[in-house]
Amino acid sequence: DAGITQSPRHKVTETGTPVTLRCHQTENHRYMYWYRQDPGHGLRLIHYSYGVKDTDKGEVSDGYSVSRSKTEDFLLTLESATSSQTSVYFCAISEARGNVQPQHFGDGTRLSIL
Amino acid sequence: DQQVKQNSPSLSVQEGRISILNCDYTNSMFDYFLWYKKYPAEGPTFLISISSIKDKNEDGRFTVFLNKSAKHLSLHIVPSQPGDSAVYFCAASAYNNNDMRFGAGTRLTVKP
Repeated sequence: DAGITQSPRHKVTETGTPVTLRCHQTENHRYMYWYRQDPGHGLRLIHYSYGVKDTDKGEVSDGYSVSRSKTEDFLLTLESATSSQTSVYFCAISEARGNVQPQHFGDGTRLSIL
Repeated sequence: DQQVKQNSPSLSVQEGRISILNCDYTNSMFDYFLWYKKYPAEGPTFLISISSIKDKNEDGRFTVFLNKSAKHLSLHIVPSQPGDSAVYFCAASAYNNNDMRFGAGTRLTVKP
């Protein structure tokens, strides 16, 4: 299994509070991704990173920001959480671009915003 | 705008028989296609992939077929085993970006 650790695994918080999710990898892969999974939608890309301090938006980036100060860590921040951001969040990594090599996923963070 | 569609939310097959999971896409720029398997409370696990230059790729019991003219791909599992019971996601990406698109998933149940 790819060395990907997501923390926390579960979190319950209130609307309007800031939330940060962490993804840590031990594979030294260049690319890291954040997805959310919702019923009926599969997984949707929020943001991705193609190197330290290099990030770009995905399909559903509104309300989210990311940071990557080290190769091994990719943080996802909800500045002011809303109930629509209740979801399961997955981090993924890949050695190369997403159209030549598969992405490998962590076990997810279940986030509930009340 | 769902560019990757899995129109069957669920599929049930008998152990030992063939499972066929289907996926359609709309974006003609997609050139790399993947299937992932997901168990509850775990992340998706990569299963098999296919490049648009091929129309078939096999890995043990798993075969993926790609029909570019129909913008359709399918995953065949032969023979199906109870441990194959999971949600299967189809995914696709294009050469010019990192935005991989996923279908909504098909829940496969293999009955003993």
